[in-house]
Amino acid sequence: DAGITQSPRHKVTETGTPVTLRCHQTENHRYMYWYRQDPGHGLRLIHYSYGVKDTDKGEVSDGYSVSRSKTEDFLLTLESATSSQTSVYFCAISETRSNQPQHFGDGTRLSIL
Amino acid sequence: DAKTTQPNSMESNEEEPVHLPCNHSTISGTDYIHWYRQLPSQGPEYVIHGLTSNVNNRMASLAIAEDRKSSTLILHRATLRDAAVYYCILRDAYSGGGADGLTFGKGTHLIIQP
Repeated sequence: DAGITQSPRHKVTETGTPVTLRCHQTENHRYMYWYRQDPGHGLRLIHYSYGVKDTDKGEVSDGYSVSRSKTEDFLLTLESATSSQTSVYFCAISETRSNQPQHFGDGTRLSIL
Repeated sequence: DAKTTQPNSMESNEEEPVHLPCNHSTISGTDYIHWYRQLPSQGPEYVIHGLTSNVNNRMASLAIAEDRKSSTLILHRATLRDAAVYYCILRDAYSGGGADGLTFGKGTHLIIQP
């Protein structure tokens, strides 16, 4: 199994608070991704990174920011959490961008009350 | 990425082969066909991918139609652990610029009966 660790695994917080989710990899892969999964929508890309300090927006990036200061860590921040951001968040990594598999973490279940 | 169409659900018996179909009539010449699956309460898991020729690995086989407008994921001997949602995804080998994530549809919910 690919070495991907997401933390925390579960979090409950209140509307308006900042939240940071962490994805840590031990594979030294260049590409890292954050997705969210909601009923009826499947997985949707939030942000991705193609190297240290290199990030770009995905399909549903509003309300989220990311940072990647080291190859192994990709952080997803909700500056001011809203109830619509209640979701399951998955991190993924891949060695190259096109045509290589993405390997996913086990997810973070985030509830915003 | 081009669109794929899969049945919402399929049911099979344990220890029997399972054929999961996927239609992708607008596939381009540089689109690879990827399959992922997602077990309950887990992240998606890569299964297999191919371009034109049939592919085999330890998990499954991928049969690609000659005109590439459809493909079939084959689980040779299903176990209860294979119960999952299976996603067929097209991925351009030369995708450049813009967001580069996988586009997941609703997939096929595979039910395995003991």
